Amino acid sequence: DADVTQTPRNRITKTGKRIMLECSQTKGHDRMYWYRQDPGLGLRLIYYSFDVKDINKGEISDGYSVSRQAQAKFSLSLESAIPNQTALYFCATRAPSGKNEQFFGPGTRLTVL
Amino acid sequence: QKEVEQNSGPLSVPEGAIASLNCTYSDRGSQSFFWYRQYSGKSPELIMFIYSNGDKEDGRFTAQLNKASQYVSLLIRDSQPSDSATYLCAVSENAGNMLTFGGGTRLMVKT
Repeated sequence: DADVTQTPRNRITKTGKRIMLECSQTKGHDRMYWYRQDPGLGLRLIYYSFDVKDINKGEISDGYSVSRQAQAKFSLSLESAIPNQTALYFCATRAPSGKNEQFFGPGTRLTVL
Repeated sequence: QKEVEQNSGPLSVPEGAIASLNCTYSDRGSQSFFWYRQYSGKSPELIMFIYSNGDKEDGRFTAQLNKASQYVSLLIRDSQPSDSATYLCAVSENAGNMLTFGGGTRLMVKT
């Protein structure tokens, strides 16, 4: 089973709709991240959380919100989706020490029409 | 604003050749440097990280860091078709808690 899972994997929605993307992990990591990826722009950080009571904005948080329901779950919401939020969204986790690697989920491809 | 720059490519090399991927960064406070590989339609996976100036080798991969010139590179020796992917450079001020990614270089290894 995958250590970091994301649901849904693909979603097509319309402008103005509320969308929630979910991330779950079984790695036991306390640090979780949401990124979006656009062609040629690499990965840009939307929000991150270092524990259940810690939520921080990243580089491009406008138009997004998050919820850390448990150590293993971190959800990203688009309250009113717009076409320029069409992108590939990745959740990632990281342990507080050790190799310093971030582990990425499989991604959610979101299309806003 | 922190910037990480990579040539988007594609970089095309013949099978068995050395592929050289380069990355420059703007933040002199950067302390740790990562190379992720991303196959088309897949998630990024870490292949190398480096913290100190100089070279770090792991199998066919060598990461090179020059903090004075603010560049980091990845060499892939004996390139294989399976190395064809997008390579993302990422830098961090704080050992990987927060990463700033470059746009990635697409590598194509031709048989």
